[in-house]
Amino acid sequence: ETGVTQTPRHLVMGMTNKKSLKCEQHLGHNAMYWYKQSAKKPLELMFVYSLEERVENNSVPSRFSPECPNSSHLFLHLHTLQPEDSALYLCASSQRGETGLPYEQYFGPGTRLTVT
Amino acid sequence: GQNIDQPTEMTATEGAIVQINCTYQTSGFNGLFWYQQHAGEAPTFLSYNVLDGLEEKGRFSSFLSRSKGYSYLLLKELQMKDSASYLCAGMDSNYQLIWGAGTKLIIKP
Repeated sequence: ETGVTQTPRHLVMGMTNKKSLKCEQHLGHNAMYWYKQSAKKPLELMFVYSLEERVENNSVPSRFSPECPNSSHLFLHLHTLQPEDSALYLCASSQRGETGLPYEQYFGPGTRLTVT
Repeated sequence: GQNIDQPTEMTATEGAIVQINCTYQTSGFNGLFWYQQHAGEAPTFLSYNVLDGLEEKGRFSSFLSRSKGYSYLLLKELQMKDSASYLCAGMDSNYQLIWGAGTKLIIKP
């Protein structure tokens, strides 16, 4: 048990649908992350919420919209996705010190997303 | 630009030793991480190096040379359960992780 849960584990959606991915961490961490993992490619950081600030990768399309209502919950809202968005979406959390240095990240099991 | 290079795939024999290399180029440097990811599962943390030298943790060891931009993960007494992908990630000056594509390690009996 990693202490980071994600739902749903699998999602199939059409290009006109709207759906949301949910992540919850039970580790008391103060930073949460969304990653995209495509086959044989590096993990791509999409968004970071840390110490009440949001950092985003400028290359992420606006059809992905994150929400972090508190330090334990993270959502990724999806709308009008494209087939190339099919991938494994991983949530992670970590503790960050006052200087900003993060400790190791703990990952959830991921949501396998297929866009048809 | 920032980049992490590691071999795509390696094969080793049960009971043997294998070394997985990683070279990195990051804007600033705040350490080097190794993660293990079994197929269909989440990555799990293995090691963190920020100073030069070898860190040993049971059957796994990780080495860092900052002057060479180089790290390796050493796995001893290989077991079948060590078959997994091993991800190398460098932390840049903004404390963001730059990830390699991972090395798929295949263990044969």
